[in-house]
Amino acid sequence: DAGITQSPRHKVTETGTPVTLRCHQTENHRYMYWYRQDPGHGLRLIHYSYGVKDTDKGEVSDGYSVSRSKTEDFLLTLESATSSQTSVYFCAISDPGQGDYGYTFGSGTRLTVV
Amino acid sequence: DAKTTQPTSMDCAEGRAANLPCNHSTISGNEYVYWYRQIHSQGPQYIIHGLKNNETNEMASLIITEDRKSSTLILPHATLRDTAVYYCIVRVDSQGGSEKLVFGKGTKLTVNP
Repeated sequence: DAGITQSPRHKVTETGTPVTLRCHQTENHRYMYWYRQDPGHGLRLIHYSYGVKDTDKGEVSDGYSVSRSKTEDFLLTLESATSSQTSVYFCAISDPGQGDYGYTFGSGTRLTVV
Repeated sequence: DAKTTQPTSMDCAEGRAANLPCNHSTISGNEYVYWYRQIHSQGPQYIIHGLKNNETNEMASLIITEDRKSSTLILPHATLRDTAVYYCIVRVDSQGGSEKLVFGKGTKLTVNP
């Protein structure tokens, strides 16, 4: 969607290697989120951020870390990728303080860990 | 955990109205009903949301029962491009943003020619 981009769109990596996914927004929204989507599980929240350097865990945060050093970028890092982290990762933004309670999602990153 | 119940799948003929039901019998007075859809391989897309009044926008209409225990999303003239998974979500809208979107399994809507 316009205003939010994810990179890379596709990545294949080997087990045990570090991987960083990037979410970039141009909407100046306060909140940013990382979800993963797997067959049979739907979308599950990994981590989210409610401001620069302010982050918190979601329901499936083990094995993931995040950083947000500036408003527009939210990075998701897999310190040592495992095959169970093969998934499609979606970033989303929102800004309840501006009355934007709905989420806008990016196009996703398909990660394969071999 | 998701607080809604939706049928797993539905079919609809192209050009006809698609009516997607959602049960949310434990909804709280300050929880909104949100609808999103996800077209294959894309990120979820916001459709509409409401608290207790019926709502309409350019994409769809949302009908919420008077007791708020269920709702129906209506796509008035379904097209093949409306084939997607539709998610019904209930959530408190707080400016603090503490309430997150929790997705269930949704309804797979297939629009047939």
